[in-house]
Amino acid sequence: DAGVIQSPRHEVTEMGQEVTLRCKPISGHNSLFWYRQTMMRGLELLIYFNNNVPIDDSGMPEDRFSAKMPNASFSTLKIQPSEPRDSAVYFCASRDKYSYNEQFFGPGTRLTVL
Amino acid sequence: GQSLEQPSEVTAVEGAIVQINCTYQTSGFYGLSWYQQHDGGAPTFLSYNALDGLEETGRFSSFLSRSDSYGYLLLQELQMKDSASYFCAVSHGRNTDKLIFGTGTRLQVFP
Repeated sequence: DAGVIQSPRHEVTEMGQEVTLRCKPISGHNSLFWYRQTMMRGLELLIYFNNNVPIDDSGMPEDRFSAKMPNASFSTLKIQPSEPRDSAVYFCASRDKYSYNEQFFGPGTRLTVL
Repeated sequence: GQSLEQPSEVTAVEGAIVQINCTYQTSGFYGLSWYQQHDGGAPTFLSYNALDGLEETGRFSSFLSRSDSYGYLLLQELQMKDSASYFCAVSHGRNTDKLIFGTGTRLQVFP
């Protein structure tokens, strides 16, 4: 199994631009999570999906952030417009419903907004 | 409110034993997980405790006391490759899918 796949691995953009982060969960996993990690705030859950349905988006910082999961094998996290304070590493993780709390993390996308 | 407290940094030498503590205050608790993250890498799952007691997995063990809202990760026979950050995470609320992560403990292992 290839594990969770994220793209791009690095993204540098200018303030005001739209950014789209992509994630392919592990095949057969039914839960998908988007996290953001910064030195100041640590690892924060932004949103998660069960069976492609958003369950909890209370961690999404503001309306500039949106996430979709059109099918079981693909999810996007979009930031529009981006701001320098959005600079962080964004992780996607997936989970099998039988594996309790073992979430499998992707390699992350390092986002820098200038 | 919710909070998880861990020491920010721990140092030890190869071959030693180290314990990383985690105390939590959350509304609703279902279990405590531990994750390891190397610099530049992704968090990887180490263990999960839903019930009081000690869970052992090779050189790593994890303990939970629900009455004390406390847990720890015990690393034995430390190796250089164990240098990483370690996060405790609480399964929160009715839906155990949601994890609240602690701020992490950076472990440095010296030769």
